[in-house]
Amino acid sequence: GNSVTQMEGPVTLSEEAFLTINCTYTATGYPSLFWYVQYPGEGLQLLLKATKADDKGSNKGFEATYRKETTSFHLEKGSVQVSDSAVYFCALTVRSGGGNKLTFGTGTQLKVEL
Amino acid sequence: EPEVTQTPSHQVTQMGQEVILRCVPISNHLYFYWYRQILGQKVEFLVSFYNNEISEKSEIFDDQFSVERPDGSNFTLKIRSTKLEDSAMYFCASSGQGVHTGELFFGEGSRLTVL
Repeated sequence: GNSVTQMEGPVTLSEEAFLTINCTYTATGYPSLFWYVQYPGEGLQLLLKATKADDKGSNKGFEATYRKETTSFHLEKGSVQVSDSAVYFCALTVRSGGGNKLTFGTGTQLKVEL
Repeated sequence: EPEVTQTPSHQVTQMGQEVILRCVPISNHLYFYWYRQILGQKVEFLVSFYNNEISEKSEIFDDQFSVERPDGSNFTLKIRSTKLEDSAMYFCASSGQGVHTGELFFGEGSRLTVL
C-alpha cells in the first residue's frame, strides 16, 4: 500500500533559521507528491507539489525535490518567519479511478520564535 | 477566490445521535472527498464521490457513514449513530478537471465532539 513518513514535531526554530522537514514515502505506482500546510484555525492548503522524479516544487520560499532514488520529498526553507508557524503535511497520490485520494503523513508542527 | 465551505464549524452531540456535516465544494469541481483527523493523528481518507456515486471508500467508512449530493451545490456526510471514537475534525475537499495534477482544495473543517 501507500504510506508517508515524516519527522515528528514540534520543530521549534528562531526566525531566519534554516528549516528541513523530512518526508519519505512508499507507493504502489508512480506517485505525485505534495506538501500541505495548516495554519492555526484554518483548513489544509496546498503549499507545493511535484509530479515526477527530479521535479522541484516551490512556493513562498519553500522548496522540495522529488527524489525517486531515495523515495523522499523533504521540505526546506532558507529563512523561516514567525508567520510560517503551522502544521506541515507531506502527502502523495497515485493515479486511480477514485480521483485524487491523498495519503498523508502525520504532520509536523513548526513553531518559529522571534 | 473560490473556496470550499463547511458547516458547522463545531458540533457537539451525544453518543448514538445522527450528525450531518455539510460542505459546499468549488462550483466547477467534479470530485468530492471527506477526510478526517482525530486529534494528534494523521489526516485519513474516508470517501471520494464522483458522478453522483461513491468512487472509493476506506475501511473507516462503514455502514454508519453515508454521503450525498442532494442538490447541485451541497455535499453531505452523515453519521447515523455517532460513537465516541467519531470525535474528530472532518475535512471536505474537492478537485477539478485536472485530476491528475493532484491538487485538492480543502475546507476549514468541521470539528465533531461526541460525548
